[in-house]
Amino acid sequence: NAGVTQTPKFQVLKTGQSMTLQCAQDMNHNSMYWYRQDPGMGLRLIYYSASEGTTDKGEVPNGYNVSRLNKREFSLRLESAAPSQTSVYFCASGVGDRSYNEQFFGPGTRLTVL
Amino acid sequence: AQSVSQHNHHVILSEAASLELGCNYSYGGTVNLFWYVQYPGQHLQLLLKYFSGDPLVKGIKGFEAEFIKSKFSFNLRKPSVQWSDTAEYFCAVNGGGSQGNLIFGKGTKLSVKP
Repeated sequence: NAGVTQTPKFQVLKTGQSMTLQCAQDMNHNSMYWYRQDPGMGLRLIYYSASEGTTDKGEVPNGYNVSRLNKREFSLRLESAAPSQTSVYFCASGVGDRSYNEQFFGPGTRLTVL
Repeated sequence: AQSVSQHNHHVILSEAASLELGCNYSYGGTVNLFWYVQYPGQHLQLLLKYFSGDPLVKGIKGFEAEFIKSKFSFNLRKPSVQWSDTAEYFCAVNGGGSQGNLIFGKGTKLSVKP
């Protein structure tokens, strides 16, 4: 079991460029999540997908879009990158229903926007 | 809205010292509580979790946490820290969210001096 995998590990973009961060899980989990981690801010939820075919906004969705391609894959897209989106991005997948949600995290993508 | 407060931004200890990291949350209903650890350059890993039952929860690597409902607290403890415990520690709460979303505290960085 690879768990949660993310690509790429590192990325440098120029302002205005677009890119897609990929995430896949092999644990047959229904829910998947995208977070960003900034120094002193903890993790903040960008978007989540409770199940295949559904996506919802989290705390900080502006400037991002997501696609739940199938049960395994959940991608995050930056259409026009901005320096404020420089961050470490973590994907996670979740066990259980709404009340019991232990999450498993991927290794992260470190993104720098110049 | 729910929130999670971690009292200390950075804690510095010598090896063999005892550790207690504070975590308070704001939510009056049933909660599930988690402590995650992030070692330098790595992704988040679950240390321990509380869903119900005995409020004293034991996790991996000798960590434990106590849920005190009247104080809305879930403090993390370890009797004797090691250099390898140097990491960032995040408290997270899941309660009442629409799809089991975790709300994270801002994290406490622990540095253990050998």
